[in-house]
Parts: sequence; C-alpha cells; structure tokens
Amino acid sequence: DVKVTQSSRYLVKRTGEKVFLECVQDMDHENMFWYRQDPGLGLRLIYFSYDVKMKEKGDIPEGYSVSREKKERFSLILESASTNQTSMYLCASITGTGGNEQFFGPGTRLTVL
Amino acid sequence: GENVEQHPSTLSVQEGDSAVIKCTYSDSASNYFPWYKQELGKRPQLIIDIRSNVGEKKDQRIAVTLNKTAKHFSLHITETQPEDSAVYFCAAGGGSNYKLTFGKGTLLTVNP
Repeated sequence: DVKVTQSSRYLVKRTGEKVFLECVQDMDHENMFWYRQDPGLGLRLIYFSYDVKMKEKGDIPEGYSVSREKKERFSLILESASTNQTSMYLCASITGTGGNEQFFGPGTRLTVL
Repeated sequence: GENVEQHPSTLSVQEGDSAVIKCTYSDSASNYFPWYKQELGKRPQLIIDIRSNVGEKKDQRIAVTLNKTAKHFSLHITETQPEDSAVYFCAAGGGSNYKLTFGKGTLLTVNP
C-alpha cells in the first residue's frame, strides 16, 4: 500500500519565518509534487521533482523553494513566510514507470500570522 | 501551459439521481485525464481515469467520457448516494514529467 506522509497536519508560523514542510513516500517513486489548495482555486502546482536533486517550477513557484536530497523525501521551503501563504499544502508522488496515478499525502494546514 | 476549466463549481442532487461534472482543457498534447474525489478533511484520491486513446470508461456507478476533438471530458455518477458527497477534481496532463493541471473542483452534495 502506497504511503505518502507529511511532517505536520497543522502548523502556525509568524510572518518572516523560514518554514520547512516535509514529505516522505515509501514506494520508491521518482516523481514528487508540491501543491497548494485554496477554496475555489483547486490544486495549484508549486514545484515538482523527477529525480534526486532535480526540480522544476510549477505554476506558482514564487516565494517557495524545494529540496530533494534523497529519493523518498521532498521538502518545500518558504524562505520568508507571508500571510498570503496561509493555505493547505499537499504533497504527491508517482512512479515514473507506467503508472500515472498521483498518490497524495494528508496535507499540512499552514497558518502564517 | 495547460488550462483546465471545470463546471459546475457546486452541484446538489437528490439521492438516486445522476450527477454530471464537465471539464475542458486547452493543450492538445494532454493524453491523461484523471478524476479525484476529496472527502472533507481527507486527501484527494483517484476514482477513475481515461487516456486519450479511449472515448469512454466505466467503473460501476461512475463513468468518464472524453471528446478529444472538442477537448472536453466529463464525469458521470449514476444512482448517487450520500457517501458520494465530496469535492471532485478533474485534471489533464500525462507528459513525460507526469505533471497534472487540475480544475478548480466541484462540490457535490447528495441529499438523502
């Protein structure tokens, strides 16, 4: 059974703080994604990675960076958190060999005060 | 890049009725069209998908149709039940990087 986990379900940070959101998958998937989910806006892709140390910008990368030092772990970094980054953050992973289903983590609800 | 439009944004039906959610996409290179269901407080989960070489796919009470020429695809749920109540997302993509572009979601409410 595929398992995608995220480091926190709820997180509260202050404006200007550096924030790390971690995602771990246990299925040896090559591809991993970070989305943010806001009411009425659906899921928007922030960054994705198709291999260790490889990353590509998604549709809304501004204010975010990512790190993938190990295959199973994909981190989203908010260099200087702002209130407009208050959102639900979802991580997903997918095998690069045939299957297309993206498996999602449970999400991290981030509030920036 | 790809753009996916999804309608309606909310849909309310009576138990036992059918529900239809429609999506359009812009990139003719997209070849994979999944539908995800997200129950309140839970993660999105794939319920059905279709590839561009197929016009229709069915799995029990849910079906998806694809019209490549018109660049639109639809989700059909028959004999709806209260447990079908959720937010449904369509998506398009399937290139070599497996990137998906999602619609904005449809909140389906099935009234008992």
